[in-house]
Amino acid sequence: SSVLTQPPSVSVAPGKTATITCGGNNIGSKSVHWYQQKPGQAPVLVVYDDRDRPSGIPARFSGSNSGNTATLTISRVEAGDEADYYCQVWDTISDPFYVFGTGTKVTVL
Amino acid sequence: EVQLLESGGGLVQPGGSLRLSCVASGFTFSSYAMSWARQAPGKGLEWVSGIVTGGGSTYYADSVKGRFTISRDYSRNTLYLQMNSLRVEDTAVYYCAKERYRTSLKGGTDYWGQGTLVTVSS
Repeated sequence: SSVLTQPPSVSVAPGKTATITCGGNNIGSKSVHWYQQKPGQAPVLVVYDDRDRPSGIPARFSGSNSGNTATLTISRVEAGDEADYYCQVWDTISDPFYVFGTGTKVTVL
Repeated sequence: EVQLLESGGGLVQPGGSLRLSCVASGFTFSSYAMSWARQAPGKGLEWVSGIVTGGGSTYYADSVKGRFTISRDYSRNTLYLQMNSLRVEDTAVYYCAKERYRTSLKGGTDYWGQGTLVTVSS
């Protein structure tokens, strides 16, 4: 099964840019989705299909995907962006299933 | 407004069974695939199972295959997860989730319920 590796934590100052990576074998050939989860809350989809944003998600959230790494970028970081972030792909190598990344805690300094 | 309301969680002994329910509203339930995901205390997200529309193809994580069964009742707008042979490691908050696509689970999950806690312990 696929393994999606994310850095455990990322720290960023307000107004700066946070970059969260999601590493996986040939992940560039798959569609990657990203979720934000704040403590005690359900996850929220922030980017789907590598780079598209659901309605209501600020343009500060952007995504890219190529080769073995997908990236979620949060520009002009705000205090409210502090949360856990997870990447996700649909894996069809064997029996099809969703796999989530290991998760990244974003701390706003 | 899309709403997903889970119920059925609770405390169960190892080897026991539970059935989770998720009542959906605010969208056409018959038009979208649905999933269950879980999160053990202090841990990351884990997808558990999914079901598409139409013929209702179902998919499972290896960790629950053969023990859990996902189903849906279109007349009740309700998604179910029958969980048998429960293990301590199944302890988690279980989330019901709406998929973006109708006949596929690869498009991402755009709405989540607030979750129901399942605790497996003796």
